[in-house]
Amino acid sequence: ILNVEQSPQSLHVQEGDSTNFTCSFPSSNFYALHWYRWETAKSPEALFVMTLNGDEKKKGRISATLNTKEGYSYLYIKGSQPEDSATYLCASYSGAGSYQLTFGKGTKLSVIP
Amino acid sequence: GAVVSQHPSRVICKSGTSVKIECRSLDFQATTMFWYRQFPKQSLMLMATSNEGSKATYEQGVEKDKFLINHASLTLSTLTVTSAHPEDSSFYICSARDPQVSYEQYFGPGTRLTVT
Repeated sequence: ILNVEQSPQSLHVQEGDSTNFTCSFPSSNFYALHWYRWETAKSPEALFVMTLNGDEKKKGRISATLNTKEGYSYLYIKGSQPEDSATYLCASYSGAGSYQLTFGKGTKLSVIP
Repeated sequence: GAVVSQHPSRVICKSGTSVKIECRSLDFQATTMFWYRQFPKQSLMLMATSNEGSKATYEQGVEKDKFLINHASLTLSTLTVTSAHPEDSSFYICSARDPQVSYEQYFGPGTRLTVT
């Protein structure tokens, strides 16, 4: 995998449902993986920064896991709420340069009340 | 958390004119700022890395004479799109690194540029 890829591109879930989406990234030269939450007309909000294989982080109802050997990360949202509606971006850093991030296209989540 | 502002949020300009976009770190000093561009349904693509007091580093395929970047202080970086053309219409967003916080980048809200 040369680029950062996210799937699905978009999804709709009912309020209260749990959901998850995937970020795939180059496993070679891996240094860090970022997740951002981006609401329309606002700044992307940092959710997690993950560096270690097997790492798992949690923030309220949102959690993320990291597999650096196979190059993927999952983001989970438990009991989705309408305010979770946003685009979720992941970005990888390979360790080169001044910390330039390579982004995926994002997963747009819509939570239906 | 750290706040980055970006102005203007939207700008419409005529072809051939220049547009300046400002990116400010409001509560921290950013030695490094980044400028990204996003076309519809595409990912954020890094255009250039801006280091305070030195020349910006441009990514391959980004014209440095067209996209002028100035990082004259630790809290301000500007991107000037010179002689804008309709194909420059895009969403431009900046981010800033706080050297006191490992790994993290803080983003502005972005600027929607439309060139007519």
